[in-house]
Amino acid sequence: DAKTTQPTSMDCAEGRAANLPCNHSTISGDEYVYWYRQIHSQGPQYIIHGLKNNETNEMASLIITEDRKSSTLILPHATLRDTAVYYCIVRVFSSNTGKLIFGQGTTLQVKP
Amino acid sequence: SQTIHQWPATLVQPVGSPLSLECTVEGTSNPNLYWYRQAAGRGLQLLFYSVGIGQISSEVPQNLSASRPQDRQFILSSKKLLLSDSGFYLCAWSVSGSSNQPQHFGDGTRLSIL
Repeated sequence: DAKTTQPTSMDCAEGRAANLPCNHSTISGDEYVYWYRQIHSQGPQYIIHGLKNNETNEMASLIITEDRKSSTLILPHATLRDTAVYYCIVRVFSSNTGKLIFGQGTTLQVKP
Repeated sequence: SQTIHQWPATLVQPVGSPLSLECTVEGTSNPNLYWYRQAAGRGLQLLFYSVGIGQISSEVPQNLSASRPQDRQFILSSKKLLLSDSGFYLCAWSVSGSSNQPQHFGDGTRLSIL
């Protein structure tokens, strides 16, 4: 299983971009990078995923380095409601399960 | 659009009592279904997954079992709860047939064993 490394915590000012890094140096060629977040006492919320190209949706952008060994999740204009634990996950490739392995994640605190 | 429902939201049970947690998905057919558990301050652990009615795979040996009696219904059960079964139980679904599709989670059941 490819392991991910994330900073334990980060702060961001409200209205500014939040850039959350993730290292996944042992990622294999067919493994995707997924980002989820978990607000206290709720289930994880899917944000975005990608293989090697940069991706953008209504919530965030995902930038994956060319060697695929790291990625950055960008929340372009952070709000107080974006305060959560953010998980970077490399998907274990399986034709049936696609098991998600959640690490400790990054606690993002958005401050007014 | 697809939605996932879990109930109850919270549950307090005595040691040795039975357990039944239910999860249903709406707006999709033949989803992959998952049960995860999150212990306090820790990451999620996959307990069971199912790719179809009656098809259950267990990830870790434990005191729990799962069943899928209908296409969009997933049930987590125990005959006799242990203290170690306390935790936050999450159900998730994903589109079947493609392993890169994201999983979408319900709001979870917080289970406390006394």
